[in-house]
Amino acid sequence: GENVEQHPSTLSVQEGDSAVIKCTYSDSASNYFPWYKQELGKRPQLIIDIRSNVGEKKDQRIAVTLNKTAKHFSLHITETQPEDSAVYFCAALGTYKYIFGTGTRLKVLA
Amino acid sequence: DAGITQSPRHKVTETGTPVTLRCHQTENHRYMYWYRQDPGHGLRLIHYSYGVKDTDKGEVSDGYSVSRSKTEDFLLTLESATSSQTSVYFCAISESMGEVDTQYFGPGTRLTVL
Repeated sequence: GENVEQHPSTLSVQEGDSAVIKCTYSDSASNYFPWYKQELGKRPQLIIDIRSNVGEKKDQRIAVTLNKTAKHFSLHITETQPEDSAVYFCAALGTYKYIFGTGTRLKVLA
Repeated sequence: DAGITQSPRHKVTETGTPVTLRCHQTENHRYMYWYRQDPGHGLRLIHYSYGVKDTDKGEVSDGYSVSRSKTEDFLLTLESATSSQTSVYFCAISESMGEVDTQYFGPGTRLTVL
């Protein structure tokens, strides 16, 4: 069935360094790829998204890249800060339904 | 927050009892979803709705049923709760934004089945 694999499951970086989280999807019909940030005890919050007709999108310190041929997309966070510590989820949208990755716990060490 | 509320926010129940969780939205969104979130599994789709009385199963629908009699309300029912259904349940809605269908989540319901 449709699947989204997300790596790594945990990631620790020093404050100020960059963090990269990678996802691979299986449904070639997927055309929209959002990223969510979830802080402890809170709901997932959309932080950035990308459509299938775009290769890269940036929003301040956050960027997402998409390689449709390889069915890969990645989240890049530069100049990480302690408040970036959270669980990050990727997702791929098929027909009506989103398939989520299993999440990456990012720890930014001060 | 896209006008989404969930009730109750916390519930403790016993095995074998029926439980109904409610998702309410105020902005007339067509698509509504129920997910469960468990450590190591991320968010898994239970059921979704694409209109009043139009629902379909997700990947983990066994033991759950849903109903949508009004646009604003999407109910999730556990007919006979089991300990394996202890989880955090999130409702979500989709907004149409051209060809992009951005999804937003409710605050979640923490359910404990003893």
